[in-house]
Amino acid sequence: AQSVAQPEDQVNVAEGNPLTVKCTYSVSGNPYLFWYVQYPNRGLQFLLKYITGDNLVKGSYGFEAEFNKSQTSFHLKKPSALVSDSALYFCAVRGYYGGATNKLIFGTGTLLAVQP
Amino acid sequence: EAGVVQSPRYKIIEKKQPVAFWCNPISGHNTLYWYRQNLGQGPELLIRYENEEAVDDSQLPKDRFSAERLKGVDSTLKIQPAELGDSAVYLCASSAGSEQYFGPGTRLTVT
Repeated sequence: AQSVAQPEDQVNVAEGNPLTVKCTYSVSGNPYLFWYVQYPNRGLQFLLKYITGDNLVKGSYGFEAEFNKSQTSFHLKKPSALVSDSALYFCAVRGYYGGATNKLIFGTGTLLAVQP
Repeated sequence: EAGVVQSPRYKIIEKKQPVAFWCNPISGHNTLYWYRQNLGQGPELLIRYENEEAVDDSQLPKDRFSAERLKGVDSTLKIQPAELGDSAVYLCASSAGSEQYFGPGTRLTVT
């Protein structure tokens, strides 16, 4: 069965410092991996995705994520955090089976709090 | 380009009452999704449409929930009758490729 784990309910970081939001996954077949961000009273916004190719993917707002197949991880990173990055971040995985799509499974979310 | 539109944004009803949510996906997106997001949780898929066909409704509680996507564009999700445990945010999303684009959601409170 597909699953996603976000082990940290909350991550605190000072503005200007690097940030990492962790995600591990379990899926049969080659994974499609996604990061979404959710601001209060807003829908989820797509940040970035990994499907194939380079393990380091770059996305919106200066975020990037590294796909590590051996560790089944897809951690979200940013070199220098901004107060405006404070939000709820969701990791998601979708299995891909020879042309047939599968549903997106979301983690429980990690609240990122960036202190000025 | 307009995003996914949902209405209403907020709804408060008493238990046992019916409620309906409406979604207009991004133009040209053939795939439409309805998710439920409980407080402190990630979204969970209720139903997925490819054009007007429901291709995955395994997580939809069919005794009280129904959905339709007439003409393969707009969609409605209905709950009848609502229960206290249905209080959540109902999200609609659409896609044309691998990434899904979400609407702002409808926050449902059942009292």
